Amino acid sequence: SQKIEQNSEALNIQEGKTATLTCNYTNYSPAYLQWYRQDPGRGPVFLLLIRENEKEKRKERLKVTFDTTLKQSLFHITASQPADSATYLCALGRGQAGTALIFGKGTTLSVSS
Amino acid sequence: GAVVSQHPSRVICKSGTSVKIECRSLDFQATTMFWYRQFPKKSLMLMATSNEGSKATYEQGVEKDKFLINHASLTLSTLTVTSAHPEDSSFYICSARDRDLASEQYFGPGTRLTVT
Repeated sequence: SQKIEQNSEALNIQEGKTATLTCNYTNYSPAYLQWYRQDPGRGPVFLLLIRENEKEKRKERLKVTFDTTLKQSLFHITASQPADSATYLCALGRGQAGTALIFGKGTTLSVSS
Repeated sequence: GAVVSQHPSRVICKSGTSVKIECRSLDFQATTMFWYRQFPKKSLMLMATSNEGSKATYEQGVEKDKFLINHASLTLSTLTVTSAHPEDSSFYICSARDRDLASEQYFGPGTRLTVT
């Protein structure tokens, strides 16, 4: 069965450092992968999408890599700030119209000042 | 940017009653909307896929007669939890896919349902 694993439930880092979150998947061939941020009691907020033919995507302090051979995506937040503290979810999609995303359980990032 | 709203944000109801949750795409048209539920510290679990003008597709284990979904227009989908029980208490989140941007999916803020 399809499986998505995010490396850890919780990650604690100091302000200014780079946070690296991992998303691994098995038994799935996604057309794209997305990363979302979710704050407690709120819906997920879209951050970045990377397609299967893309190796890397950047947006401000965020960087995502996608390795379809390793079946892995890495999500980096550089110069992290306490405001970056949240749960980050990775999600896989097949690309066909009408198909839903499959989500990992998320990694809760805590950035201390 | 693409905005999805949900109403209500919180609702408390008694066992046996029905509750309707609305999901609206505010600035784009969504041919497909998705309904998820999320338990504390757990991932989002897809309940059903809602297509405008047709019947919803439910995931295995989700009772279609209990969770009624209506997608009457390109900007509105509703989820009705019928004969609610305490175990239906959860965080319900909808998402919508922009008709013109097939990949990106935008989520509503969620609805916290508590059944007493």
